[in-house]
Amino acid sequence: NAGVMQNPRHLVRRRGQEARLRCSPMKGHSHVYWYRQLPEEGLKFMVYLQKENIIDESGMPKERFSAEFPKEGPSILRIQQVVRGDSAAYFCASSPMGAPNTGELFFGEGSRLTVL
Amino acid sequence: SQQGEEDPQALSIQEGENATMNCSYKTSINNLQWYRQNSGRGLVHLILIRSNEREKHSGRLRVTLDTSKKSSSLLITASRAADTASYFCAPAVAAGNKLTFGGGTRVLVKP
Repeated sequence: NAGVMQNPRHLVRRRGQEARLRCSPMKGHSHVYWYRQLPEEGLKFMVYLQKENIIDESGMPKERFSAEFPKEGPSILRIQQVVRGDSAAYFCASSPMGAPNTGELFFGEGSRLTVL
Repeated sequence: SQQGEEDPQALSIQEGENATMNCSYKTSINNLQWYRQNSGRGLVHLILIRSNEREKHSGRLRVTLDTSKKSSSLLITASRAADTASYFCAPAVAAGNKLTFGGGTRVLVKP
């Protein structure tokens, strides 16, 4: 049973370009969470999605960032017109249903975005 | 949801010693979870303790929960170099469906 798969693991973009980060949750999991981590800091919640629905996007910047989790395919975190401050590790986690009431989150290995 | 605050921020011990870290939170919870993050890797779930439990063990890990003080502790006994990592607590409220994390405790176990 494969874990949470994130790709790419490393992504380099120039300022103004777009970054697309993908997350395939564990098999049977229908809930996806995206987090951002700056060096030497904790994880900051960005967005929580179920299939075709955004449940909580309270941690998402209002501009340039969007997320989706379509009926088919992986969840996508999209960052438009990247700036140097977007450089960070972006982690995806999944759960089978409404965690944390039912259990833990399963994390991917992250996608490290570097903006030149 | 709410965020836990870990203390200390960093901890350095010799292999074989015990490591203890604490977590404080502010409101009522359904459960509290501890995670480990090795450098450059994703978080790994270690243990979940429910609000009606006071202590839980998993291998060399011991977690306590004091809901009256809104605090939890994680004890790693007989530490190994492989325990070097950052440790995060995540208090989970009943009504929330997301976990938020504090800055973590960075543990260095010296061989």
